[in-house]
Amino acid sequence: GAVVSQHPSWVICKSGTSVKIECRSLDFQATTMFWYRQFPKQSLMLMATSNEGSKATYEQGVEKDKFLINHASLTLSTLTVTSAHPEDSSFYICSARTSGRSYQETQYFGPGTRLLVL
Amino acid sequence: AQKVTQAQTEISVVEKEDVTLDCVYETRDTTYYLFWYKQPPSGELVFLIRRNSFDEQNEISGRYSWNFQKSTSSFNFTITASQVVDSAVYFCALSDRMDSSYKLIFGSGTRLLVRP
Repeated sequence: GAVVSQHPSWVICKSGTSVKIECRSLDFQATTMFWYRQFPKQSLMLMATSNEGSKATYEQGVEKDKFLINHASLTLSTLTVTSAHPEDSSFYICSARTSGRSYQETQYFGPGTRLLVL
Repeated sequence: AQKVTQAQTEISVVEKEDVTLDCVYETRDTTYYLFWYKQPPSGELVFLIRRNSFDEQNEISGRYSWNFQKSTSSFNFTITASQVVDSAVYFCALSDRMDSSYKLIFGSGTRLLVRP
């Protein structure tokens, strides 16, 4: 159980285009999903917390107009990188947390999406 | 403030050796959860264990064991008889009630290389 999928796994795009990444919890309902960014040989950097049916909460320094997050259902959250530039190239990972007393719950991670902007 | 420290950046061992990955945490909360995740070269984070602050019993799962000591704020992870497939980056993480979003606070990770 507790499987999280991400699509696509790889994206190569031209500078200036927008890229949408989907994160789905396959066998549980996720009231909260998180989006992370990871640079090579570094830890995960939390970008935003996404709660179903409400606006995402962005971490300091993350441009909300650049990284649009939508959490339309209990099993789907999307991250759209708008007008992507080479510096946006990174490994993006989502995670989903089961409902319940939140601080107790385990976050399950998707396989990640590697974005390369040319 | 919450903080997780994994002082070992990289560890290299020969197959069949035992290896311990250190994790030290800081929190003002009395109720918190600690986690270990494995990130193999493929990139996906794999959940290994969750431990709450009230349960200091050590846990063993096959070749994996965890030593939780509140007195030293440590939650160390030992792999016995390491195998090449154990090569990965291992992250220790903390979750408590100090932040309303209950987000995970990650350590910087320890890269483990198991050589044949």
